Amino acid sequence: DAGVTQSPTHLIKTRGQQVTLRCSPISGHKSVSWYQQVLGQGPQFIFQYYEKEERGRGNFPDRFSARQFPNYSSELNVNALLLGDSALYLCASSLAWDSVNYGYTFGSGTRLTVV
Amino acid sequence: SQQGEEDPQALSIQEGENATMNCSYKTSINNLQWYRQNSGRGLVHLILIRSNEREKHSGRLRVTLDTSKKSSSLLITASRAADTASYFCATLNSGYSTLTFGKGTMLLVSP
Repeated sequence: DAGVTQSPTHLIKTRGQQVTLRCSPISGHKSVSWYQQVLGQGPQFIFQYYEKEERGRGNFPDRFSARQFPNYSSELNVNALLLGDSALYLCASSLAWDSVNYGYTFGSGTRLTVV
Repeated sequence: SQQGEEDPQALSIQEGENATMNCSYKTSINNLQWYRQNSGRGLVHLILIRSNEREKHSGRLRVTLDTSKKSSSLLITASRAADTASYFCATLNSGYSTLTFGKGTMLLVSP
């Protein structure tokens, strides 16, 4: 079975541009969460979607948005990129909306560099 | 914001030695999880311990949880060079479905 797949692997964008990151969860998993990991820090929660509905949102500006499609894949959009948006963006999938009993499965991430 | 704080920030040991990492957190939790990250790539789930559990084992991993002190420790026994990675604790807060991560411990295991 394929794990969580994210695309692209690496991305370089210019300040002010917009970017779309993609994530395909493990087959059968209905929940997708997005995390931002700045160099030297732990991941920070951005969004969670379950059954195509937003279930949670972290402390990020409105420039960040996401959606989940009927096949449970997800996109993360970031508008008006800032240098500080440079980070590793991680997608995590899970069967249920919570991780009370099981941990999340993470993808390998998209490394975004804003210049 | 970061919930957990791992200690030490970095740890360097020889193969065969044990490695102990600690994590402290601030608010009440549903469970605490440990993840490993190699070279800034994806996170791998290692072990989950619920708030009503005190100790858990998985292979060479041993995790303890002390909710009165709001702390946890991860012990890796008989370490191998392949254990070289960053290790993060993450808490699942009561009533929420999101994980809050600490800043991590970088473990270097030398042959």
